[in-house]
Amino acid sequence: GENVEQHPSTLSVQEGDSAVIKCTYSDSASNYFPWYKQELGKGPQLIIDIRSNVGEKKDQRIAVTLNKTAKHFSLHITETQPEDSAVYFCAAKIEYGNKLVFGAGTILRVKS
Amino acid sequence: NAGVTQTPKFQVLKTGQSMTLQCAQDMNHEYMSWYRQDPGMGLRLIHYSVGAGITDQGEVPNGYNVSRSTTEDFPLRLLSAAPSQTSVYFCASSRPRGEGEQYFGPGTRLTVT
Repeated sequence: GENVEQHPSTLSVQEGDSAVIKCTYSDSASNYFPWYKQELGKGPQLIIDIRSNVGEKKDQRIAVTLNKTAKHFSLHITETQPEDSAVYFCAAKIEYGNKLVFGAGTILRVKS
Repeated sequence: NAGVTQTPKFQVLKTGQSMTLQCAQDMNHEYMSWYRQDPGMGLRLIHYSVGAGITDQGEVPNGYNVSRSTTEDFPLRLLSAAPSQTSVYFCASSRPRGEGEQYFGPGTRLTVT
């Protein structure tokens, strides 16, 4: 089955700096890669996703890149703000399949 | 829309007790799932359902039962709680076949002593 590894487990950045979180996956059949943000005491919320037919996707300060050959994908947050502090999860699955597999999560702290 | 709701928010059980975690959604989503979240392990899929009357096992199904009698509700049952089931449980729903975004509930924090 699919296995997703996520690094780093914790990340501290200064406000205004960029943050990068990296994930690798094992199943070459996976073609849907979402990223979730979880704030304290809440459920995860989708912030961006990418499908295997594109290499990069941007949404304001957030971008995701995908390298299918190497089986890894990354989340990039630019101009970080204190409200970006949260736990971020990557995930992977076969689109239209039923099982979403998550990475272990990254605790992002943005210091002001 | 209320989205995905879960009750209770917190629960303490003794080893061997049983309980049901409730989950409901009002988005008419066919796909619903249960995850448990443990430190350093992300979210792991327990059971899922692709529609009323249909359920299947996820990655960590042992010790849990589910049923799906309606589109809206997807309860998770612990028949005989064990300390290893101490965790935060999340219910999620999405369009058919898990397509696109999964919407998560606020979670239930369960402690088994």
